Amino acid sequence: NAGVIQTPRHKVTGKGQEATLWCEPISGHSAVFWYRQTIVQGLEFLTYFRNQAPIDDSGMPKERFSAQMPNQSHSTLKIQSTQPQDSAVYLCASSLPGREQYFGPGTRLTVL
Amino acid sequence: GEQVEQRPPHLSVREGDSAVITCTYTDPNSYYFFWYKQEPGASLQLLMKVFSSTEINEGQGFTVLLNKKDKRLSLNLTAAHPGDSAAYFCAVSAYNQGKLIFGQGTKLSIKP
Repeated sequence: NAGVIQTPRHKVTGKGQEATLWCEPISGHSAVFWYRQTIVQGLEFLTYFRNQAPIDDSGMPKERFSAQMPNQSHSTLKIQSTQPQDSAVYLCASSLPGREQYFGPGTRLTVL
Repeated sequence: GEQVEQRPPHLSVREGDSAVITCTYTDPNSYYFFWYKQEPGASLQLLMKVFSSTEINEGQGFTVLLNKKDKRLSLNLTAAHPGDSAAYFCAVSAYNQGKLIFGQGTKLSIKP
């Protein structure tokens, strides 16, 4: 079991550019979560899919952020027109229904 | 919404001593409780899960105590060793909610 896979591990973008982050959940896990980690805000929930359907996006900034899960083997988090305040480690996690979440290694996004 | 307060933010103990980290939460509907460990530059590693029916869980070198009356969750490392140096996060989830609400984290340092 390879665990949750996230690519890229590091991404540097210029202000105003787009960033797409990828997550491959553990095989068989039907729930996929995205979180953001910064020194100031700590770990924040962004959004959650179950069986590929969006369930809760209450943590997603209303503008520029979107997430999709086109199939059971991957999810993407897209940030349009990146801003310096978007710099963070973006973590993806997956779980079986109602069970503990397993986290990927994260993508460190740096917006210059 | 749910708020989770974690204390202390920093903790330094000598090797062989015990260390206690405590989280308090506000939502009485909180149902699932977790402790995660994060080593520098690494992702979140699940240490222990505590579900509603469990009050005390023991792992390798640590004990987790849940007091639902006081809405308090604690992690007690019984005899700290250098490998325990890391950041520790508690996380709480309501029944059928999915998303985790994290505490602010505790950076634990073990002195020789």
